[in-house]
Amino acid sequence: EAGVAQSPRYKIIEKRQSVAFWCNPISGHATLYWYQQILGQGPKLLIQFQNNGVVDDSQLPKDRFSAERLKGVDSTLKIQPAKLEDSAVYLCASSPVGAGGSGANVLTFGAGSRLTVL
Amino acid sequence: AQKVTQAQTEISVVEKEDVTLDCVYETRDTTYYLFWYKQPPSGELVFLIRRNSFDEQNEISGRYSWNFQKSTSSFNFTITASQVVDSAVYFCALSEGSYNYGQNFVFGPGTRLSVLP
Repeated sequence: EAGVAQSPRYKIIEKRQSVAFWCNPISGHATLYWYQQILGQGPKLLIQFQNNGVVDDSQLPKDRFSAERLKGVDSTLKIQPAKLEDSAVYLCASSPVGAGGSGANVLTFGAGSRLTVL
Repeated sequence: AQKVTQAQTEISVVEKEDVTLDCVYETRDTTYYLFWYKQPPSGELVFLIRRNSFDEQNEISGRYSWNFQKSTSSFNFTITASQVVDSAVYFCALSEGSYNYGQNFVFGPGTRLSVLP
């Protein structure tokens, strides 16, 4: 089975520029997650989709970050305008939808997109 | 609120030594799941194990073993006879089911393990 695909792997931009990251989850996985991982820290959830609906975006800085999953398959995460503190690895993960209330699903991660903001 | 603590930021061992990575969690739910992931230098997080809150049996898989103790809210990970390929950052994670959200998944800060030849 193909894994979670992400692109680009690396991106360097200057502050105040914009950037977009793309993620294609494992086929059939209804749930898609975007995490931000700052160097030396654990991944932090930015947004979680179930199919094409947002189920949790409480930690997404909505003044500059946006994400969409229009057809319930692949997803795009955008940052505009970027700040120095946005330098991080952006990880996409997917999981199958579990039974209602289940927390058992294993998240499968992509290789990540490393962003450097100068 | 759910929280995962990994007190060891970095550990260095010499090859063939045993090493234990600690994980302590906080949750109010009675049903939850605990995970360990490995992040090698390539950057991709690799799933190692999942354990549910009702199963406190220890588990062994090759050189890896996990000790789950509900009484101390700990889920520790031991690597026996460590190898250089075990060098990575290891994350403990806690997942709670939520009927509305499907899953709340929180990671600890990670422990960087360096195995020296």
